[in-house]
Amino acid sequence: QVQLVQSGAEVKKPGASVRVSCKASGYTFTSFYIHWVRQAPGQGLEWMGIINPNGGTINYAQRFQGRVTMTRDTSTSTVYMELSSLTSEDTAVYYCARGARYLDLWGRGTLVTVSS
Amino acid sequence: QSALTQPASVSGSPGQSITISCAGTSSDVGGYNYVSWYQQHPGEAPKLMIYDVNNRPSGVSDRFSGSKSGNTASLTISGLQAEDEADYYCASYTTSSTRVFGGGTKLTVL
Repeated sequence: QVQLVQSGAEVKKPGASVRVSCKASGYTFTSFYIHWVRQAPGQGLEWMGIINPNGGTINYAQRFQGRVTMTRDTSTSTVYMELSSLTSEDTAVYYCARGARYLDLWGRGTLVTVSS
Repeated sequence: QSALTQPASVSGSPGQSITISCAGTSSDVGGYNYVSWYQQHPGEAPKLMIYDVNNRPSGVSDRFSGSKSGNTASLTISGLQAEDEADYYCASYTTSSTRVFGGGTKLTVL
């Protein structure tokens, strides 16, 4: 079954970091880019960045530069997104999604709550 | 990179047609034929409805169509059905090889 399975919900304190995983299955992991997109409660979709599992090339949205790190592990077909220096404004559902020009396969999302 | 501009809400009666606009710039929508549209029902992940301006993925109803003129893309839904009620987002490739989403449009089927 072609799918992206994300890690479970996280609760973090302000200033902490969070790492969310996204495990691909059912297709050739290195053949498709992976994007990270987040959605704050009641808000729209926000693109965070993209990683090429084949070689690890990365491109981050400017507003997350210096605070986000995307990595991949080809041995487990898993992509990771780490976001540091969390504030309450980072409370959101974080999605991974497959694709290049368009996103044709999405994970179910991981809720990250930042609260003291 | 500023978000693409979409109307906050649109509505229509069953059977009618509606169009959602997505305004960008020559650095995104106008510069590439890489506009895509996503449907999102409450509590669910987004679903790809249109890619590369006017192409439908397998399994998406032909009631959904896309177009582009200059810096503005559009999604048209014909023969509105109750199940079409959802949030819709456009997205585009940009000159910096990033992606940008629109702010989203809430479609209400009256």
